[in-house]
Amino acid sequence: QQQVKQSPQSLIVQKGGISIINCAYENTAFDYFPWYQQFPGKGPALLIAIRPDVSEKKEGRFTISFNKSAKQFSLHIMDSQPGDSATYFCAAVNQAGTALIFGKGTTLSVSS
Amino acid sequence: GAVVSQHPSRVICKSGTSVKIECRSLDFQATTMFWYRQFPKQSLMLMATSNEGSKATYEQGVEKDKFLINHASLTLSTLTVTSAHPEDSSFYICSARVAGNTIYFGEGSWLTVV
Repeated sequence: QQQVKQSPQSLIVQKGGISIINCAYENTAFDYFPWYQQFPGKGPALLIAIRPDVSEKKEGRFTISFNKSAKQFSLHIMDSQPGDSATYFCAAVNQAGTALIFGKGTTLSVSS
Repeated sequence: GAVVSQHPSRVICKSGTSVKIECRSLDFQATTMFWYRQFPKQSLMLMATSNEGSKATYEQGVEKDKFLINHASLTLSTLTVTSAHPEDSSFYICSARVAGNTIYFGEGSWLTVV
């Protein structure tokens, strides 16, 4: 089934804390997993992405952890800042690149 | 990084008229582009996938005669909302796929039908 389940729906984190968002997929045909950040009224911006042959990818304060056997992946935002407050979407892309399925999104609020 | 441009960013049209939204890949060729619709505080809903030179593939429940998609070149896809009605008011977003399945999004277009 083409579905990506994302949790939590909303998240409040103190400034400097770690934000963690989780996603799970069912279809093993997915082989590219991007995370997007979206601010109100704007299109989603590609944040970081991972392929299933890698268990972890880090870019600055953002880290993706990937568990292929469990079909789960997560986004960790270290040292969260108020400017990180946005909606985050995980997604999965099939091997042919013809389908991009989004999770339902997580609204992150980082309090100062 | 790759840039996807959408135009117009905001448009208001009268009920019953048609409106066209353009999606351009500015510094790369995109054989595949996606069109999404997003309601406030909700996720993006895939409407259709367009491939250059062929007919678009529409998701279930999306009226292909109402939402006309044309992908005439490797850098341009258009979405035309025909005979628009107030319920078509929404945020429409396009995205384009580059090699390696990286997908970039445009800034979105707000459509208001009055």
